[in-house]
Amino acid sequence: AQSVTQLGSHVSVSEGALVLLRCNYSSSVPPYLFWYVQYPNQGLQLLLKYTSAATLVKGINDFEAEFKKSETSFHLTKPSAHMSDAAEYFCAVISDTGRRALTFGSGTRLQVQP
Amino acid sequence: DAGITQSPRHKVTETGTPVTLRCHQTENHRYMYWYRQDPGHGLRLIHYSYGVKDTDKGEVSDGYSVSRSKTEDFLLTLESATSSQTSVYFCAISEEGLSGNTIYFGEGSWLTVV
Repeated sequence: AQSVTQLGSHVSVSEGALVLLRCNYSSSVPPYLFWYVQYPNQGLQLLLKYTSAATLVKGINDFEAEFKKSETSFHLTKPSAHMSDAAEYFCAVISDTGRRALTFGSGTRLQVQP
Repeated sequence: DAGITQSPRHKVTETGTPVTLRCHQTENHRYMYWYRQDPGHGLRLIHYSYGVKDTDKGEVSDGYSVSRSKTEDFLLTLESATSSQTSVYFCAISEEGLSGNTIYFGEGSWLTVV
């Protein structure tokens, strides 16, 4: 079974600082990896996804993530945090190509300090 | 916008009563999912469907049943609601594309069992 580990349930950064949210996965087959963002009382919005076309994936709102097979990681970064980035972020992996269902990490809440 | 509508969006119900949540999609996607979201657990798969009348269990299916009699509707039923089923429920669809599948989520249904 595949799994996802997000290191740090809460991350706090200053406005303008680098954002780094960590995600490690376990998979016996090449994975599809995703990052979603959830604002309070809303659904999940897709930030970006990795599908093996390129190891560096660019998403919306200047977020990007790099797939590193040797480290089984897919960390999410943003060069400069905005107040509007405060939200919860979820890393997820397709659990098997049969049912095509996502397995999620437990989430990281990002706080942005003025 | 993946054309997903969930209803009801908010519901309070009593222990032991049946509850049905509805997910409606407008784009004829084959795969549909029900997840629940709880603090510290991310999202967990309850049931999924891969076509009309074709459904299967996810990781947390106990106490839930589903039905899909039309492509556009996927119903989640709690036969006899318990307090442990107080949660936020998200419906999702899988959009097939050249770069693989992408899963999109509805806005969520907040269920409180008292």
